[in-house]
Amino acid sequence: SQQGEEDPQALSIQEGENATMNCSYKTSINNLQWYRQNSGRGLVHLILIRSNEREKHSGRLRVTLDTSKKSSSLLITASRAADTASYFCATLEANTGNQFYFGTGTSLTVIP
Amino acid sequence: EPEVTQTPSHQVTQMGQEVILRCVPISNHLYFYWYRQILGQKVEFLVSFYNNEISEKSEIFDDQFSVERPDGSNFTLKIRSTKLEDSAMYFCASSEGTGAIWYEQYFGPGTRLTVT
Repeated sequence: SQQGEEDPQALSIQEGENATMNCSYKTSINNLQWYRQNSGRGLVHLILIRSNEREKHSGRLRVTLDTSKKSSSLLITASRAADTASYFCATLEANTGNQFYFGTGTSLTVIP
Repeated sequence: EPEVTQTPSHQVTQMGQEVILRCVPISNHLYFYWYRQILGQKVEFLVSFYNNEISEKSEIFDDQFSVERPDGSNFTLKIRSTKLEDSAMYFCASSEGTGAIWYEQYFGPGTRLTVT
């Protein structure tokens, strides 16, 4: 199974601090996407990084991908209370079409 | 900004009843998907749909499930005879283009299905 696994499962930080979440996966991928989910709500797409990319930025988000280690990290800089949510990575396996595999998620709490 | 919409937001049904969950994907998108998330568990892929037919489905997507694009805008998931274990949040998603390798999947807000 390809399913990504996020680490840590839960993270609590003070507003203004940086938050780093990691995702590991098992097999070759075409791309990896990060999503945010507020409690009881839908999934919000944050960023997509392709297998031939190593780093991408979007506002306060920075995503890295290390295909040799089969891992990715999501860094949120200067965190805000509104960043409190669960964060998931989703991987698209190579040669398996359009099926995404989601990880278990990291629950981030940003304390004002 | 275009978004995926889903109706209803919450559906309560009795075991054995049929339910239809509705989705309106982003208008220029070509691939459509259904996922589910049982409370406290991972988001799981159910099915993908392209060019009016199923392109992939998971083991979860058994004979009690079906999908349809009845017109140019709606995409539906039907559960023929609901079971208690079908209780979950169901997410619709869509993506532009012919392959997820290059395109993001955009998710709707979900329909919470409660089977009693």
